[in-house]
Amino acid sequence: DTAVSQTPKYLVTQMGNDKSIKCEQNLGHDTMYWYKQDSKKFLKIMFSYNNKELIINETVPNRFSPKSPDKAHLNLHINSLELGDSAVYFCASSEQGQPQHFGDGTRLSIL
Amino acid sequence: AQSVSQHNHHVILSEAASLELGCNYSYGGTVNLFWYVQYPGQHLQLLLKYFSGDPLVKGIKGFEAEFIKSKFSFNLRKPSVQWSDTAEYFCAVNADRGSTLGRLYFGRGTQLTVWP
Repeated sequence: DTAVSQTPKYLVTQMGNDKSIKCEQNLGHDTMYWYKQDSKKFLKIMFSYNNKELIINETVPNRFSPKSPDKAHLNLHINSLELGDSAVYFCASSEQGQPQHFGDGTRLSIL
Repeated sequence: AQSVSQHNHHVILSEAASLELGCNYSYGGTVNLFWYVQYPGQHLQLLLKYFSGDPLVKGIKGFEAEFIKSKFSFNLRKPSVQWSDTAEYFCAVNADRGSTLGRLYFGRGTQLTVWP
């Protein structure tokens, strides 16, 4: 009964490919997030959705496109992958103003 | 924009030693403060949080943190560490209100290694 689940856990692909990462939460939270953790472990927010509406969109290349079909899901699609996209991507969810619950992460490696 | 500074990049301790990890933030308004822990290969877990009230907050696994508003600090402490505390520790801040509500700003993390 994982609260925030991401798939896949590992993603190895070549430059130029398009890939998606899926996230689902069963906590009933209204808000979901995507974070990127770089090789130095620095975590930075990318996007946030509240009830399927985009509320935070940090300076992220437009190759990254989040999609929220319903408030329990927030997927991340990445076009034309580049070497610099290699990172661990974490999904999280929360009620507004409450602590965020994180998924296990998706380790993306670009060859 | 808000920022969070963690002073120690890597801390190495022996079991039973006391721990204090520094965290300072820059933001002029009301903030919520968090410490998260990331065990090797795992996701972030909440250790403790401060929203309001008593500035000394207690979290899980014997950790506590003290919010000192005048110093913009939220240092994490544990009187006696264990080998199982080896992990990466992240301080995080978000604004209590306003346009940045919900946006969690993380420090760069402190790697704690505890030797048995």
